[in-house]
Amino acid sequence: GNSVTQMEGPVTLSEEAFLTINCTYTATGYPSLFWYVQYPGEGLQLLLKATKADDKGSNKGFEATYRKETTSFHLEKGSVQVSDSAVYFCALTYTGTASKLTFGTGTRLQVTL
Amino acid sequence: GAVVSQHPSWVICKSGTSVKIECRSLDFQATTMFWYRQFPKQSLMLMATSNEGSKATYEQGVEKDKFLINHASLTLSTLTVTSAHPEDSSFYICSARLGTGANTGELFFGEGSRLTVL
Repeated sequence: GNSVTQMEGPVTLSEEAFLTINCTYTATGYPSLFWYVQYPGEGLQLLLKATKADDKGSNKGFEATYRKETTSFHLEKGSVQVSDSAVYFCALTYTGTASKLTFGTGTRLQVTL
Repeated sequence: GAVVSQHPSWVICKSGTSVKIECRSLDFQATTMFWYRQFPKQSLMLMATSNEGSKATYEQGVEKDKFLINHASLTLSTLTVTSAHPEDSSFYICSARLGTGANTGELFFGEGSRLTVL
């Protein structure tokens, strides 16, 4: 079946540091890939997505590139802020009316001053 | 657009009572909604898929008589935790997908409902 593997957290960084959160997946064909973010006490919200190989999703300074050859979708940001502290979830699905979203276990990011 | 709202955002109940959580799509019609349970260590577990006008599809290991799901309209799905016990305490999150037709795979999530059973 499909699965998503994320690096274990928590990840603790100082403000303005470079961020990478690794995500790899196991799936057949060409799934769509997503990063969702969950701020403290809130539900998940879509951060960015990519629907085909070599696509780069970007939003709020975060980026992730869909790498079919390495089955990866690593999340990066050049300079994190305290307000980026949250839990980040990598996920995949197939477009289609019956598709379910498969999540990774989430990676908690804590950014300090 | 594509806002999903849950109510209540938190609820405390006594053991043995039932609790209903509502999930509404405010500005779109959602033929499919999903219910997740989030455990303290943050992992998200899909409980069931709720389809408007039909019975929910439960994931393996989820008790359908314990977690009753009703999706009676295109904008409302409810999760009822029946005869709640302390081990049911958790953060429950619903999500919805935009209508039928072109499905990008993106889900829109509610704010979550924290249930504490005493």
